[in-house]
Amino acid sequence: AQSVTQLDSQVPVFEEAPVELRCNYSSSVSVYLFWYVQYPNQGLQLLLKYLSGSTLVKGINGFEAEFNKSQTSFHLRKPSVHISDTAEYFCAVNGAGGGNKLTFGTGTQLKVEL
Amino acid sequence: DAGITQSPRHKVTETGTPVTLRCHQTENHRYMYWYRQDPGHGLRLIHYSYGVKDTDKGEVSDGYSVSRSKTEDFLLTLESATSSQTSVYFCAIRRITQGPNTEAFFGQGTRLTVV
Repeated sequence: AQSVTQLDSQVPVFEEAPVELRCNYSSSVSVYLFWYVQYPNQGLQLLLKYLSGSTLVKGINGFEAEFNKSQTSFHLRKPSVHISDTAEYFCAVNGAGGGNKLTFGTGTQLKVEL
Repeated sequence: DAGITQSPRHKVTETGTPVTLRCHQTENHRYMYWYRQDPGHGLRLIHYSYGVKDTDKGEVSDGYSVSRSKTEDFLLTLESATSSQTSVYFCAIRRITQGPNTEAFFGQGTRLTVV
């Protein structure tokens, strides 16, 4: 079975400050990991994904994430956030033994304030 | 643009009535999914399809059925709508060619309210 835990339901941060959104996963086999962003009243868009190779993955809009196998984590970071980054962020996992099904976390609402 | 269209975008229906949501894709991909999104629960998989007439259950399939008679269309039916099925429903496709390492592309969602 595969699962994802997003520890923070809401993260408030001031503009231009750094931010980290936490994601931990559980899977009995090798995994593929994804971060998605959802702006209000829209569908989900892919931010970045980890498939294999380098553990530091860079995505769109200045976001990056680091895969840590020993800690089963895939935290999302941005060194300096902008008001436009206000959105909900979802971590997702597809274990190699999980068929072709993506399992999502419960989401983290990032609110960027002036 | 992944060529996914959901219809309707908004619907209000009464308890006990049947409801069908449609997902249409223009890119001929095998895998299509229906998720529901609820506060505090994220996205949960209802059903998915891996080809015409090939479907399987997800984690929250009770009260829902699906059909896929053509590659491009994946229908989600609530046989007898209940208030607990008030939610935002998302359709997704995956361009899976070599395994579960490809991302999903999502439609814009259908907001369903059961009164």
